[in-house]
Amino acid sequence: EIVLTQSPATLSLSPGERATISCRASQTVYNYLAWFQQKPGQAPRLLIFDASKRATGIPARFSGSGSGTDFTLTIGGLEPEDFAVYYCLQRSTRPPITFGGGTKVEMK
Amino acid sequence: EVQLVQSGAEVKKPGESLRISCKSSGYDFTSRWISWVRQMPGKGLEWMGRIDPSDSYANYSPSFRGHVTISNDKSITTAYLQWSSLRPSDTAIYYCTTETPVTPFDYWGQGTQVTVSS
Repeated sequence: EIVLTQSPATLSLSPGERATISCRASQTVYNYLAWFQQKPGQAPRLLIFDASKRATGIPARFSGSGSGTDFTLTIGGLEPEDFAVYYCLQRSTRPPITFGGGTKVEMK
Repeated sequence: EVQLVQSGAEVKKPGESLRISCKSSGYDFTSRWISWVRQMPGKGLEWMGRIDPSDSYANYSPSFRGHVTISNDKSITTAYLQWSSLRPSDTAIYYCTTETPVTPFDYWGQGTQVTVSS
């Protein structure tokens, strides 16, 4: 099973600042890496898939990069609605699909 | 518009059986796999398994294999997650979500709260 390790666990930032979240895989996932946002009481929302492709309707301030085992989600200028928990997910060649442990982006 | 509507909250006792559902609409039901994802109280997301509605073939995470069963009924475009014997540790919110070979988990149900307590 591929393990995804996210860091940091919590990120304390102010609106307008840049957020950078890391996701490291225990073995290569090629570019089969996605990012999700989850707000309290809501289902997760797909932000990025295939490491760097924005999902439909996702603002340009969200960007993803990386390949192989090291990936990054960047939020370029936090809006108030961006304070949430973020998860990475891999679905490389075969199941099981796995999620990272999550990163909470909280307001400083 | 793709929609996934899940069944309502459940309160059960340990050892009881349960089946929760995920009704799909707005797309060809056989064109998207359906996965189930668990979220225990205050915790992260865990992938449980998925089903291909075109042939009803399911595969499971090792963590859940043997404890849950994923199935579907094409005639009513609905997927199911069921337990034959619930445990208190099954208390969680369960989400269904769809994926294609291109896009992972782009549509989600609203979640079903399952509470198992004596």
